[in-house]
This record gives sequence, C-alpha cells and structure tokens, in this order.
Amino acid sequence: KQEVTQIPAALSVPEGENLVLNCSFTDSAIYNLQWFRQDPGKGLTSLLLIQSSQREQTSGRLNASLDKSSGRSTLYIAASQPGDSATYLCAVRLYNNNDMRFGAGTRLTVKP
Amino acid sequence: NAGVTQTPKFRILKIGQSMTLQCAQDMNHNYMYWYRQDPGMGLKLIYYSVGAGITDKGEVPNGYNVSRSTTEDFPLRLELAAPSQTSVYFCASSYSTLTTPLYEQYFGPGTRLTVT
Repeated sequence: KQEVTQIPAALSVPEGENLVLNCSFTDSAIYNLQWFRQDPGKGLTSLLLIQSSQREQTSGRLNASLDKSSGRSTLYIAASQPGDSATYLCAVRLYNNNDMRFGAGTRLTVKP
Repeated sequence: NAGVTQTPKFRILKIGQSMTLQCAQDMNHNYMYWYRQDPGMGLKLIYYSVGAGITDKGEVPNGYNVSRSTTEDFPLRLELAAPSQTSVYFCASSYSTLTTPLYEQYFGPGTRLTVT
C-alpha cells in the first residue's frame, strides 16, 4: 500500500533563508507527483507537477525534484518570504489508477 | 473562470441526518474528485469520476454516494451522518486525455462539516 510521508511536520525559518521540504513514498510505481500549498481555512493550490519521467520542475523561487527509485521528492524554496508561510503537501498519483495519496503536510512559518 | 466552486462553506448536521455537498467546475475538466481532510492528516480520496455518467470509489467511500450527470457538477451525498464524518471536504477537478495525460488537480475552497 502506498504511504506518503512528509518530514518535518513543522518548520520555522527566518526570512531570506533557503529551505528544503521532504516527501517520501513507499511504492515507486507512481504516475506523477504534485506539490500543493494550503493556507489556513483554504483549499489547495497547485505549485508544481512532476511526471514520473521527469527529474525536476521549476517555477519562480520553487524547485521540485523527483527520485522515483529512492521514493523521494524535495521542494526547494529560495529566499523565503513571510508570504510563503503555509502548509505544503505532496501527493502521488498511483500508476494505472486514479487514486491520489497525500502526505500530511509540512507547516512552514517564515519569520520577518 | 470561477474554477472549482463548493457549497455550502460550513454545515452542522445532527447524527442520522442527510445532506448533499455541491461541487461545480467551469473549466470543462473531465475528471472530478471528492476528498476529505481530517485535522493534521493528508487528504483521502472518497470518490472520483472520469466523465459524465462514470464514477468509482476511492480509498474511503463508505457512508457516501456520488453522481455525475453533467461534466460540470459532481455532488457528494452523505446518508445517515455520523460523527466520524466530521471533516473538511474538498472537491477537485483535472483534465486528462490519452494525448494530454496531465492530471494536474485544481481544488475548491472546501466545506467544513460537523456532525454532532
């Protein structure tokens, strides 16, 4: 059974710091992996989608990598800002299946 | 485009009552999904649909029903509400074809449901 884990559960950093969020999954047979941002009381906003054949995706200050063989993905945030404070979730789409499995998220706080 | 919309935003139900959570999207997406999110947990898939008239169970379907009569709408029905169904419910949609298998999901703002 596919399990998705995100460590740490919470992270607090000073403004301007570069940081890495981690996502691990137990079954490498995935179709894609998606990173989301969730603000308190809000829905999820898609940040980056990495297909299983890709190694990384970039959008602005965000860079996501995927290593299927080791069951890991990282989300790199450069020059963090207080506006980056939110919960970040990763989710994998199972191969040949429409099910998505989510991690519990990492709650990020960027202090001014 | 309004994207994915959900109603209501909040609802309190008594045990045994029934209700329908509404979800609509105006992006002409063929796939639609219902998830629940419990405090401190990731989202879990309840049901999904790959097109009008086609639905299938996800990881946690018990206690719920869905229908998909149009491309735009995907209501979720709770029958005989139980305290275990207290959660935040999210609807999502995505577009995918054999030539464009993207599956990038777009989410609604959620419905916070309390069953007491």
